Amino acid sequence: SSELTQDPPVSVALGQTVRITCQGDNLRRFYASWYQQRPGQAPVLVISGKNNRPSGIPDRFSGSSSGDTASLTITGAQAEDEADYYCNSRDSSGNPVLFGGGTKLTVL
Amino acid sequence: EVQLVESGGVVVQPEGSLRLSCVASGFTFDKYIMHWVRQAPGKGLQWVSLISWDGGSTYYADSVKGRFTISRDNSKKSLFLQMNSLRTEDTALYYCAKGGMDGSFDYWGQGTLVTVSS
Repeated sequence: SSELTQDPPVSVALGQTVRITCQGDNLRRFYASWYQQRPGQAPVLVISGKNNRPSGIPDRFSGSSSGDTASLTITGAQAEDEADYYCNSRDSSGNPVLFGGGTKLTVL
Repeated sequence: EVQLVESGGVVVQPEGSLRLSCVASGFTFDKYIMHWVRQAPGKGLQWVSLISWDGGSTYYADSVKGRFTISRDNSKKSLFLQMNSLRTEDTALYYCAKGGMDGSFDYWGQGTLVTVSS
């Protein structure tokens, strides 16, 4: 079955821009969604579809996609953005839903 | 305000059974796909199962197929997960999540902890 591969742990200086990627063959057909999970909390959807932010998500979060890779970009990272970030998408073979392994973001 | 509240998580012995529940509010429950997603201690998110709006279609991760059964009662705005033949590797925080129109998981509960241990 397919899988989604995410970056190893990433760090970013306060106020700088960081991009987190998610790679998988099924991303050529389906958009990725992105979730933020702070320690001890449930995941929160931050980006879905082509580049849709749910109500309440700051506009410093954006999504993009090219070929088999989806990206989550945080422009002007804040201390509260320090969290684990997960991508997910649909799959057309095997399990209908896939999650990436997650990327831990540290804001310095 | 959308709310999802899970319950039913306990400590259970291997090969035991458990039924998780999730009560929804703040949206039209019977119009949306619902999911169960789990997270083992210190690990990432793992999709477990989904059920269509009317309960007519269900899907499972390979790791739980044949052991877990997802169901829903739209009259009670409730989602369930019957878990049988539990294994130590099923130990996790189990989240109930609402399916978004674009295939995302747009709302999550706070989770209920299942521990499988002798």
